[in-house]
Amino acid sequence: QKEVEQDPGPLSVPEGAIVSLNCTYSNSAFQYFMWYRQYSRKGPELLMYTYSSGNKEDGRFTAQVDKSSKYISLFIRDSQPSDSATYLCAMTPTSGTYKYIFGTGTRLKVLA
Amino acid sequence: NAGVTQTPKFRVLKTGQSMTLLCAQDMNHEYMYWYRQDPGMGLRLIHYSVGEGTTAKGEVPDGYNVSRLKKQNFLLGLESAAPSQTSVYFCASSYWGTSGRVAYNEQFFGPGTRLTVL
Repeated sequence: QKEVEQDPGPLSVPEGAIVSLNCTYSNSAFQYFMWYRQYSRKGPELLMYTYSSGNKEDGRFTAQVDKSSKYISLFIRDSQPSDSATYLCAMTPTSGTYKYIFGTGTRLKVLA
Repeated sequence: NAGVTQTPKFRVLKTGQSMTLLCAQDMNHEYMYWYRQDPGMGLRLIHYSVGEGTTAKGEVPDGYNVSRLKKQNFLLGLESAAPSQTSVYFCASSYWGTSGRVAYNEQFFGPGTRLTVL
């Protein structure tokens, strides 16, 4: 079993929809959670960074962590065609490590 | 700033050939990483470096060597390429930032190198 599981998609939604992207994990020691966005044939770029449980909002993006269920989510409100990309979750147990465990990524397509 | 750059962008090798991938960053970051990305496997760490002159093994180091002779450069070498090393290779560099009282390590990625080994 992989430490981090992520539905590969693809996920197709109409423009303006609310998108929910999710990851589950097995290691209860994970404390730091990140979401990266990767456009086709580009490198990943950091979208959101959260620590422990709770929500964090940044514009149209909300990251949610539920440590009791070992489940993290990224919500995109008012989705746009420019949001079409692969979204990767990543996590690490402490801030003192440089080693992140990445999910396999979910491919999202927002249709105009 | 160019950020993180990788050379070359594409390469085709025959089994047994060797090559070096070059990563350069102009952000004065201490930490640098090499990942490979394969379908269904996500990003996997090959080697990393926490400073000039230091390197360490990641999750999948076999068949690769690295060197960090200058702070801004991180080289990934394949001494004898195998078809299993066909992949997209990403370099990243990072720094420590803070958000409130929480320290975090934001990694900046290069555009990738697509390598095919025949």
